[in-house]
Amino acid sequence: GNSVTQMEGPVTLSEEAFLTINCTYTATGYPSLFWYVQYPGEGLQLLLKATKADDKGSNKGFEATYRKETTSFHLEKGSVQVSDSAVYFCALTPWNSGNTPLVFGKGTRLSVIA
Amino acid sequence: GAVVSQHPSWVICKSGTSVKIECRSLDFQATTMFWYRQFPKQSLMLMATSNEGSKATYEQGVEKDKFLINHASLTLSTLTVTSAHPEDSSFYICSARDHREEKLFFGSGTQLSVL
Repeated sequence: GNSVTQMEGPVTLSEEAFLTINCTYTATGYPSLFWYVQYPGEGLQLLLKATKADDKGSNKGFEATYRKETTSFHLEKGSVQVSDSAVYFCALTPWNSGNTPLVFGKGTRLSVIA
Repeated sequence: GAVVSQHPSWVICKSGTSVKIECRSLDFQATTMFWYRQFPKQSLMLMATSNEGSKATYEQGVEKDKFLINHASLTLSTLTVTSAHPEDSSFYICSARDHREEKLFFGSGTQLSVL
């Protein structure tokens, strides 16, 4: 079946540190991959996505590359800010899924301290 | 951007009572809405898919008589947890599909605590 595994948190970093949140997936075919972010008191928001192998999604300084050979979609940011503190969810939509919604990981809480 | 409003954000209730959670798409029509549940330290798990004007489709293991879903209009879906028990305590979140852009937008979630 389809599943997403992401590193467990919480992750605590100092401002301007480098961030990596690992995400690996299991899926048939060629899924689309996503990172969602949930800020305190808000709904999940799409952060970035990639729809095919070797695609790189990027937004707000965050990047993730779709690696089919390692079935991974790790999230990275070169210099985190306090405002990046949130819960990050890796997710996938199975290929040719029609109305099938996303399969999520457990979420990783990031806390950035000044 | 599109907004999905979910209400209430948190609720505490006694065992045996019913709780209704509302999910509204504020500036778009949503023919399809999804309901998820997240237990502590677990993944967001899809409970059911709600299509406007028809019966919801429930995932395996989700009791349809316990989790009643109504999607009577293109902007509103409700989830009612009937005869709630402490094991129903969880974080419930809805999402709505904007058919114009084929994007999903999420509500901010409801934390349910059953005493």
